[in-house]
Amino acid sequence: QSVLTQPPSLSGAPGQRVNISCTGSISNVGAGYGVHWYQQLPGTAPKVVIYGNSNRPSGVPDRFSGSKSGTSASLAITGLQAEDEADYFCQSYDSSLSGVVFGGGTKLTVL
Amino acid sequence: VQLQESGPGLVKPSQTLSLTCTVSGGSISSVSYYWSWIRQPAGKGLECIGRIYSSGSTMYNPSLKSRVTISVDTSKNQFSLKLSSVTAADTAVYYCARVVVAGLFFDYWGQGALVTVSS
Repeated sequence: QSVLTQPPSLSGAPGQRVNISCTGSISNVGAGYGVHWYQQLPGTAPKVVIYGNSNRPSGVPDRFSGSKSGTSASLAITGLQAEDEADYFCQSYDSSLSGVVFGGGTKLTVL
Repeated sequence: VQLQESGPGLVKPSQTLSLTCTVSGGSISSVSYYWSWIRQPAGKGLECIGRIYSSGSTMYNPSLKSRVTISVDTSKNQFSLKLSSVTAADTAVYYCARVVVAGLFFDYWGQGALVTVSS
């Protein structure tokens, strides 16, 4: 059972928008710690696509955006492309556990 | 910045798993970063094992703390993981990664090393 909760799977057609949710609690997301998102393509290491709730590293398309409200965060991908098919993980810090925590991951399928 | 894991891919049950991460293109002594180990069993999610600062100060996942040691060798720009008394449940891909201190997120990752625990 992951500390951060994500839907196990989502799908969308090319060109559509998808939102991946990440629900935490008052000891992590709700405590003000940043939420970060990683994309993991099959057989590769995770890559950060959003850090600090809504910041996009250089090189990440602006189709990726992040937001946070209360104890939840969301990753939005607009104009879905086949290359976006991957696993996505959210991550934050938990004060009660004194450590980094991850969501269980969401498998995104592009139909 | 590049990180590269190295170490045995097969470890016997009850023995100690040992991996080293070599950092290139940046100094492991930078005050802006921690250095971390994360693992991922096949088809499952990510688990942070622990992290180390260049000073040697460490933080470990409470669920693994009794079995984990992370150390750093600044002269070689390397940090290492030792996990003792391994079982099949420790079979996973092990990643080393750089942690941005200011935001506590992982900005660079190694390619990963598959470690199988089996007799």
